[in-house]
Amino acid sequence: GDSVTQMEGPVTLSEEAFLTINCTYTATGYPSLFWYVQYPGEGLQLLLKATKADDKGSNKGFEATYRKETTSFHLEKGSVQVSDSAVYFCALSAFFGNQFYFGTGTSLTVIP
Amino acid sequence: EPEVTQTPSHQVTQMGQEVILRCVPISNHLYFYWYRQILGQKVEFLVSFYNNEISEKSEIFDDQFSVERPDGSNFTLKIRSTKLEDSAMYFCASKGTGDSNQPQHFGDGTRLSIL
Repeated sequence: GDSVTQMEGPVTLSEEAFLTINCTYTATGYPSLFWYVQYPGEGLQLLLKATKADDKGSNKGFEATYRKETTSFHLEKGSVQVSDSAVYFCALSAFFGNQFYFGTGTSLTVIP
Repeated sequence: EPEVTQTPSHQVTQMGQEVILRCVPISNHLYFYWYRQILGQKVEFLVSFYNNEISEKSEIFDDQFSVERPDGSNFTLKIRSTKLEDSAMYFCASKGTGDSNQPQHFGDGTRLSIL
């Protein structure tokens, strides 16, 4: 069945460091891929999305490219800030059906 | 920006009691969902709801669970005879269309603690 595998955390970085959080997926058909962010005490907020192969989603300095050949959707940011500290979830929306499949989440802490 | 709202933010209930978690989806959305996240684990799909009926449900969503849209705005999750293992964060989500490329919009969640 469809699934998402996400890089284990927690991740701790210094401010202005480069961030990569790995995400790979298994799916039939042509899924859409998403990154959600969960700040402390809050719900899941959409960060970015990509709906077909080679699409690049971007928002707030974060980017992720839908790679069909490697079934990956890695999240990157060139220079993280303290305010980026949160839990990041990779998610897949199956081509057939309605549910989302989430990764386990990666906790990011950015220290000044 | 319109948002999904959930109440209460935290619910504490004795084991064996019934609990109702409430959600107000975004007003023009047609697809509604419940997910749960047990502490330290992944977000798990429970159920999807469209056109006043369940369209999909997971193995977790057994006879103990039910959903309802009692009026034009609320979407509720009822858990009958709660168990300790029902303790989790429960998220409601909604989506405007059935297209798989559309994101789901999530509420802030209800933390359910079963004692």
